[in-house]
Amino acid sequence: EPEVTQTPSHQVTQMGQEVILRCVPISNHLYFYWYRQILGQKVEFLVSFYNNEISEKSEIFDDQFSVERPDGSNFTLKIRSTKLEDSAMYFCASSDGRGNTEAFFGQGTRLTVV
Amino acid sequence: AQSVAQPEDQVNVAEGNPLTVKCTYSVSGNPYLFWYVQYPNRGLQFLLKYITGDNLVKGSYGFEAEFNKSQTSFHLKKPSALVSDSALYFCAVISGGYQKVTFGTGTKLQVIP
Repeated sequence: EPEVTQTPSHQVTQMGQEVILRCVPISNHLYFYWYRQILGQKVEFLVSFYNNEISEKSEIFDDQFSVERPDGSNFTLKIRSTKLEDSAMYFCASSDGRGNTEAFFGQGTRLTVV
Repeated sequence: AQSVAQPEDQVNVAEGNPLTVKCTYSVSGNPYLFWYVQYPNRGLQFLLKYITGDNLVKGSYGFEAEFNKSQTSFHLKKPSALVSDSALYFCAVISGGYQKVTFGTGTKLQVIP
């Protein structure tokens, strides 16, 4: 069964450092998403990406965040200068672009900023 | 705009008893509704969805959910709870031209042996 894969599973970084979270979406999917979940709390939308550009972003997704699909298979989330409050589980998801189908999620990357 | 509400932070149920996890939604068009489950230290797993048709939808692991348009609800149910059902459950919605999935705040289900 196809799946979304995310690497690394856990990343520890110092405050102020840049991090890149990587995702490989399902190959025939067209829409890509990043969500985050602060420990034990709700899942929050960050950004959606379609046709090589951001289609929607939340207020959380400020200038410190960026996304890229550098090579047609990977989908990355970059945080330029991490803050303590960026510590969370980050989930990548993809969907086939039809709004009535479910999004498939990766297992997540746990980011710990120290 | 679209939103989802899960009014209960936690639901406790005895093993073997029926369970219900509540969800209500608010959308401007027709809703597409989903339930996801998250086991400890794991990602989100799709359980079931309502798109159109029969209001009662069946999903994985014996779960089902009932779409009620007049009450704008999509409660998750299971006739007989298992201890292994203990997890965090998220209701989600897509509507209209939106592509993003909007999640509820999650409900922790605790099944007591």
